[in-house]
Amino acid sequence: GENVEQHPSTLSVQEGDSAVIKCTYSDSASNYFPWYKQELGKRPQLIIDIRSNVGEKKDQRIAVTLNKTAKHFSLHITETQPEDSAVYFCAAPDTGRRALTFGSGTRLQVQP
Amino acid sequence: EAGVTQFPSHSVIEKGQTVTLRCDPISGHDNLYWYRRVMGKEIKFLLHFVKESKQDESGMPNNRFLAERTGGTYSTLKVQPAELEDSGVYFCASSRRPGGHTEAFFGQGTRLTVV
Repeated sequence: GENVEQHPSTLSVQEGDSAVIKCTYSDSASNYFPWYKQELGKRPQLIIDIRSNVGEKKDQRIAVTLNKTAKHFSLHITETQPEDSAVYFCAAPDTGRRALTFGSGTRLQVQP
Repeated sequence: EAGVTQFPSHSVIEKGQTVTLRCDPISGHDNLYWYRRVMGKEIKFLLHFVKESKQDESGMPNNRFLAERTGGTYSTLKVQPAELEDSGVYFCASSRRPGGHTEAFFGQGTRLTVV
């Protein structure tokens, strides 16, 4: 099955700085890598995803990079704002299980 | 389009009692998943329904957990009898396609506390 490791577990940055969260996965057959954001008391919501046929995808201030050879992918948030404060989860498909396997989450705190 | 809804949002029960969680997926989503997050850890897979059939229940912790999805619409997850280690946030998610290769839409979760 898939194993997803996520680091760091907590991250504190100053408003305007960049934040990077990294994940590794084990199943070389995985080809879809979503990132979810969970604000306090709310549901996890997809913010960006990437498929294995591209190495990078950007959407305004957020971007995801994928290195299939090394089996790792990262979330990059630029010009962070207080509303970016949340728990972020990476995920990858467990092809045997036919469901997403999630990382342990990163609590991002953006200090104003 | 209505999102995934879960009920209740919070539940506090005593050890040994029974609790039933409910999930209403997005209409038309055949795939329904239950996940659990214990404090500070990963969102861990419990099981996967395709319509009314259990596709995979390999993540269920033990036989005190029973999930059903009668008629392929809403699903329930029953814990009987509850133990202290069952505390956590139980998430339901649904998707149109299976396999973890497409967006899964989450409910807001049920926070279960067993005391």
